[in-house]
Amino acid sequence: GAGVSQTPSNKVTEKGKYVELRCDPISGHTALYWYRQSLGQGPEFLIYFQGTGAADDSGLPNDRFFAVRPEGSVSTLKIQRTERGDSAVYLCASSLLAADTGELFFGEGSRLTVL
Amino acid sequence: AQSVTQPDIHITVSEGASLELRCNYSYGATPYLFWYVQSPGQGLQLLLKYFSGDTLVQGIKGFEAEFKRSQSSFNLRKPSVHWSDAAEYFCAVGSSGGSYIPTFGRGTSLIVHP
Repeated sequence: GAGVSQTPSNKVTEKGKYVELRCDPISGHTALYWYRQSLGQGPEFLIYFQGTGAADDSGLPNDRFFAVRPEGSVSTLKIQRTERGDSAVYLCASSLLAADTGELFFGEGSRLTVL
Repeated sequence: AQSVTQPDIHITVSEGASLELRCNYSYGATPYLFWYVQSPGQGLQLLLKYFSGDTLVQGIKGFEAEFKRSQSSFNLRKPSVHWSDAAEYFCAVGSSGGSYIPTFGRGTSLIVHP
């Protein structure tokens, strides 16, 4: 597709389980961002990739969260030992370059619910 | 650290009325400023951006915003609101040097009455 694709769109899991969320950016976009949006809040930065490497992971809340982008395209956000507080919409965005015109193209998000 | 404040959680306007959504930012240097819109079931979409130059910027869907350095503000305006403008609006600030990572405000929900 032409836009940023995120799967699954909805994920319900139990506390303590492991979750993977996938992001397929726009073809050719080298920069990829993960954000988390809690109810009634704005997107909160998690991690930013430039190519295959994580250029900035300062937003990851703790070591249960990890993200990869092994071939510089698709990225996976991984959450271990999920907690109820992890429930949120996880947004992925891509950009043609880093620090360019600044336009991020967002996917529709993956809604995670931890019971 | 950069931050954004959107003081209004909800704004209600009548269709055809003018609109102004407030945004105040905190950043030490010249900021990059953005407004994004999020409609139900859709991803965030860029409305407009300010990097430098003319402080009044035009965006899509008839929106404009004015950068006022003295007030640290970047308010979004539209002269006549349409029912389809009902959505969540987010102001964001990005750094003007090095890696670009925008920081978002909490958003303002726009309700449009017929």
